[in-house]
Amino acid sequence: DQQVKQNSPSLSVQEGRISILNCDYTNSMFDYFLWYKKYPAEGPTFLISISSIKDKNEDGRFTVFLNKSAKHLSLHIVPSQPGDSAVYFCAASGYGGSQGNLIFGKGTKLSVKP
Amino acid sequence: DAGVIQSPRHEVTEMGQEVTLRCKPISGHNSLFWYRQTMMRGLELLIYFNNNVPIDDSGMPEDRFSAKMPNASFSTLKIQPSEPRDSAVYFCASDGLAGGTDTQYFGPGTRLTVL
Repeated sequence: DQQVKQNSPSLSVQEGRISILNCDYTNSMFDYFLWYKKYPAEGPTFLISISSIKDKNEDGRFTVFLNKSAKHLSLHIVPSQPGDSAVYFCAASGYGGSQGNLIFGKGTKLSVKP
Repeated sequence: DAGVIQSPRHEVTEMGQEVTLRCKPISGHNSLFWYRQTMMRGLELLIYFNNNVPIDDSGMPEDRFSAKMPNASFSTLKIQPSEPRDSAVYFCASDGLAGGTDTQYFGPGTRLTVL
């Protein structure tokens, strides 16, 4: 049973607009969440994270929102750029981000069109 | 630092053959993770090591899979015998948590095709 779900396998957005990628989780013990970006033929690279004690974390064009009651998080990219086209993975940890398992979603492929 | 290094980048083999994937983590990192990515299951953790000791291997699919970390700078993932359903991209990742939140750094992956 998937503990981290990304229900949209793909998303297409126009350059300059906002991209919103969604992620749901089922395990209430998760307390640290991350987003990774993956280009073809490369490994995933860390993008942004959020602890469960926060509901928002911002880094430049990227903002992650966490709604613990809904067990939902989202990644907002604004403005979207063609270079943002990649697969985005949501991941969760139950150890406060300390060493241990990261449970990944299946990813959402974002295409940003010029 | 060169980042996490994996070899080979591509491997094509025939069913029944032994396959060995290699990983060199980032120097100074004390945790190492092996993942497998498939279309059906996404990115799934196979095993992870902390200070060269296997901590959780519950993700290893079956006895045909084994992993070792003989020292802090090298790990192998072996499949013997290989089967077509093992075809996937295998990633190695490392992190250097010494307190506080961690970030796993991934290698470029090994694309394995078993014919």
